[in-house]
Amino acid sequence: EPEVTQTPSHQVTQMGQEVILRCVPISNHLYFYWYRQILGQKVEFLVSFYNNEISEKSEIFDDQFSVERPDGSNFTLKIRSTKLEDSAMYFCASLLNDYEQYFGPGTRLTVT
Amino acid sequence: LAKTTQPISMDSYEGQEVNITCSHNNIATNDYITWYQQFPSQGPRFIIQGYKTKVTNEVASLFIPADRKSSTLSLPRVSLSDTAVYYCLVGREGDMRFGAGTRLTVKP
Repeated sequence: EPEVTQTPSHQVTQMGQEVILRCVPISNHLYFYWYRQILGQKVEFLVSFYNNEISEKSEIFDDQFSVERPDGSNFTLKIRSTKLEDSAMYFCASLLNDYEQYFGPGTRLTVT
Repeated sequence: LAKTTQPISMDSYEGQEVNITCSHNNIATNDYITWYQQFPSQGPRFIIQGYKTKVTNEVASLFIPADRKSSTLSLPRVSLSDTAVYYCLVGREGDMRFGAGTRLTVKP
């Protein structure tokens, strides 16, 4: 069964550093998403991406965040200058043309 | 964007049927209703999706009344492994936002 993969599984970084989280969505999917989940809290929508541009973004997705699909397979989330409150699990998801999103296993980001 | 409201938590016993209701009073005409399940330290997993009336798959049933302002996820004969958080989402492809979820605990 096809699956979404994410790397790394765990990223530790210092406050103020840039991080890039990587995702490989399912190859024929059209929509791509990033979500985050702070420990013990709900899954929060960050951004959706379709046809090589951002489709929707939440209020969380400010100028510190950016997304890219650089080579037709990878989908990346960049946080320019990390803050302590960015510590969370980050999930990538992809969707073909119905409403079943496939989620990756997540990247746990720890900002110290 | 339709906001969803679900119970924060529910308890059940093995073998019982569990019904979780989600309210979405301002659902838009084009919105679908989708339910996901999440285990600790894992990404959410699709359970079922519907637009109106009733949908059933091998895992669950989804009941949607005619006005579509609510939906009920029905899990038949739950087991301990069904202990998880269940999320109701209302939306379209570009904007799929999770509510607070319902933490279901199944007891022996």
